[in-house]
Amino acid sequence: QSVLTQPPSASGTPGQRVTISCSGSTSNIGTNPVNWYQQLPGTAPKLLIYTNNQRPSGVPDRFSGSKSGTSASLAISGLQSEDEVDYYCAAWDDGLKGYVFGTGTKVSVL
Amino acid sequence: EVQLVESGGGLVQRGGSLRLSCAASGFSFSSYWMHWVRQVPGKGPVWVSRINGDESTTTYAESLKGRFTISRDNAKNTLYLQMSSLRAEDTAVYYCAREVPFCGVYNWGQGTLVTVSS
Repeated sequence: QSVLTQPPSASGTPGQRVTISCSGSTSNIGTNPVNWYQQLPGTAPKLLIYTNNQRPSGVPDRFSGSKSGTSASLAISGLQSEDEVDYYCAAWDDGLKGYVFGTGTKVSVL
Repeated sequence: EVQLVESGGGLVQRGGSLRLSCAASGFSFSSYWMHWVRQVPGKGPVWVSRINGDESTTTYAESLKGRFTISRDNAKNTLYLQMSSLRAEDTAVYYCAREVPFCGVYNWGQGTLVTVSS
């Protein structure tokens, strides 16, 4: 049911930079801002990036977001062991008139 | 501090009904759009519904229209989700969430588990 496509996994060694892509369409990412959520096992998603590239207070500046056309990206620099969780992109979809989430990416720290 | 606390989940038989509640605190509840999002354990979140501050506008995921109803009581700072004709595929953790203007879905509750037995 997800209309935003993410790679199922991404990995890197401690200290490396990892990038997660999120591909959508003109009705969602192409028109509306993108949010990114981080989800630890057994907990609710937590807002990581809002409006494409803004960090809520308390989110380390190791996390950054960007958007171009109908795609968005989340970058994690200086990868740490605690980053080994799930990440989801999301955006409003004008066609579906609903909030759509990405398929999710599990980050592994090697 | 923004707090969203869901309740009302549990085990229900297929075809049954259930009403979820979300108690909000720490912000001016009536000023914000509120959402329900559900997630099957091990899968990604799926948006369910949203409602504006004065209840004049509600939106639903197409697949849930007619079975789920979102509402709110601003005097009680509480959001509701009435679910009927429940199916096994409605089994999920249900989260309420607050939308912040120009920031999207911002704050989430801890979720409440709904299990529909067949």
